[in-house]
Amino acid sequence: ETGVTQSPTHLIKTRGQQVTLRCSSQSGHNTVSWYQQALGQGPQFIFQYYREEENGRGNFPPRFSGLQFPNYSSELNVNALELDDSALYLCASSLDARGYTFGSGTRLTVV
Amino acid sequence: QQQVKQSPQSLIVQKGGISIINCAYENTAFDYFPWYQQFPGKGPALLIAIRPDVSEKKEGRFTISFNKSAKQFSLHIMDSQPGDSATYFCAASRGNQAGTALIFGKGTTLSVSS
Repeated sequence: ETGVTQSPTHLIKTRGQQVTLRCSSQSGHNTVSWYQQALGQGPQFIFQYYREEENGRGNFPPRFSGLQFPNYSSELNVNALELDDSALYLCASSLDARGYTFGSGTRLTVV
Repeated sequence: QQQVKQSPQSLIVQKGGISIINCAYENTAFDYFPWYQQFPGKGPALLIAIRPDVSEKKEGRFTISFNKSAKQFSLHIMDSQPGDSATYFCAASRGNQAGTALIFGKGTTLSVSS
């Protein structure tokens, strides 16, 4: 049973809309990362938060933003959705920035 | 630029056989090399990981072989079982500080026939 939970599990949005995905990290994990996994591909790093501060970012535009809260839950926000944003979004938490525990993801479909 | 290259893309192995998946990396600053297993509808789960100061690590039926000079590492699954059928990802990262991203390969879909 994974300690990372994500909601919702599935989501359908229209191009141009905004979406917020949520993640509850494993207890005690102070580092959370978000990844985008397109169909048939490996996860791609979006950004990482450590103690509520963004401290690492992949090659994603500013319309991808996030928040981490004191209880280690976090959010991924995507503005101005594009068709190519359709993917599985994964949240992963870690205590030591090494052994990441992934959630089951949110499947986002943009139509 | 793909920093971690994984092969093969798909693999079919008979029950009881050995499954071998290979990865090559480019960035010599990488110092942590995990393998993840992913089942349909689930997130990746850490299987086994290695650091470059050792050449091999074994956990049960799973073994990582690491060749630092060639910048390659591989996953061996001994006595492969139908329950091992999944997608496997190699990954690499550098440093142990917060802000370090995992760079994943494109994945290998393993099918173990019974």
